[in-house]
Amino acid sequence: GAGVSQSPRYKVAKRGQDVALRCDPISGHVSLFWYQQALGQGPEFLTYFQNEAQLDKSGLPSDRFFAERPEGSVSTLKIQRTQQEDSAVYLCASSFSSGSYNEQFFGPGTRLTVL
Amino acid sequence: GQNIDQPTEMTATEGAIVQINCTYQTSGFNGLFWYQQHAGEAPTFLSYNVLDGLEEKGRFSSFLSRSKGYSYLLLKELQMKDSASYLCAVGQAGTALIFGKGTTLSVSS
Repeated sequence: GAGVSQSPRYKVAKRGQDVALRCDPISGHVSLFWYQQALGQGPEFLTYFQNEAQLDKSGLPSDRFFAERPEGSVSTLKIQRTQQEDSAVYLCASSFSSGSYNEQFFGPGTRLTVL
Repeated sequence: GQNIDQPTEMTATEGAIVQINCTYQTSGFNGLFWYQQHAGEAPTFLSYNVLDGLEEKGRFSSFLSRSKGYSYLLLKELQMKDSASYLCAVGQAGTALIFGKGTTLSVSS
């Protein structure tokens, strides 16, 4: 497709369940970012990949969060033992390069609700 | 620390002009971005400033003063479809964007 896609668009999980969120970036985009957006807030950085290398994971809130991009294209964000505070929209963004003008193209997000 | 401030809400009427301000204090600076986000949708890119001054793009303009840590987004000839959240973000070299909390703009007829 022409843009960044994410699946599922909506996910309801019971507290303690594991979830996996998928991101398909724009073809050829080197950089991939995950953000968490709580209701009424701006997106907050979680982690960043350049190709398959995870260069920055400083924003991951706990060791229950894990992200991978094994072949440098599709990425998965996994949350283990979900908690209610994990409820948010998870946005994926990609950019052509990591250069100074790094316009990021965002996907529609996955809205996670933890009951 | 990293701090980006913008007003929470603004209202305006169709055809009017509105200016959304953003002030920032960040450890790094690699440009100032504005994104538009309609409810339930992805943020979409509006503008990018890395040098001081005004960038104009159709009905939207963005201004940057690096010495003051200040930017604004100017929207002219407002339309109902401009009702959305407007996100100010600071770019960090090679890594992520740091976003403000967003300004919700409501345009009424």
